[in-house]
Amino acid sequence: EPEVTQTPSHQVTQMGQEVILRCVPISNHLYFYWYRQILGQKVEFLVSFYNNEISEKSEIFDDQFSVERPDGSNFTLKIRSTKLEDSAMYFCASTVGLAGGWEQFFGPGTRLTVL
Amino acid sequence: AQSVTQPDIHITVSEGASLELRCNYSYGATPYLFWYVQSPGQGLQLLLKYFSGDTLVQGIKGFEAEFKRSQSSFNLRKPSVHWSDAAEYFCAVGDSSASKIIFGSGTRLSIRP
Repeated sequence: EPEVTQTPSHQVTQMGQEVILRCVPISNHLYFYWYRQILGQKVEFLVSFYNNEISEKSEIFDDQFSVERPDGSNFTLKIRSTKLEDSAMYFCASTVGLAGGWEQFFGPGTRLTVL
Repeated sequence: AQSVTQPDIHITVSEGASLELRCNYSYGATPYLFWYVQSPGQGLQLLLKYFSGDTLVQGIKGFEAEFKRSQSSFNLRKPSVHWSDAAEYFCAVGDSSASKIIFGSGTRLSIRP
């Protein structure tokens, strides 16, 4: 069964460093998303991406964050200068489209630890 | 604005007992509703979804949920829980634009042997 994959599974970085989290969505999917979950808290929406541009973003997704689909398969989340409060589990998700309803398939997550 | 409320932070039930997890949503139009399950340290697995049609939806692992528009609720049920059902359960709401899903704060389910 097709699945969303994410790398790395765990990333440790120093405060102020740039990190790139990588995702490979399901191959025929057209909509892509990033969410985060701070330890013990709920899952929060960060950004959605469709047709090579951001569809919607939350207030969390400030100028320190960016997303990119550099090729036909990868979808990345970049944090330019990490802060301690960026420590969280980051989930990538994708969905095929709107026709007939939609559901988001989530990857296993990348745990980001900022020291 | 869309929002989801899961009033129960933690529920403990005995193995074999029935289960109901509560979810209330706030949304102006027709909501798209989801239940996801998350085992410790794992990702999110979709249990079931409601978009339209029959208000009682069946999902995986023997779960079902009922959409009640008049009560703005989408409660999750299972007639007999198993120890492997211990996990965090998230209710979520979206809309037809597929722009995002808004999650509730989750209900942690523990199973008493």
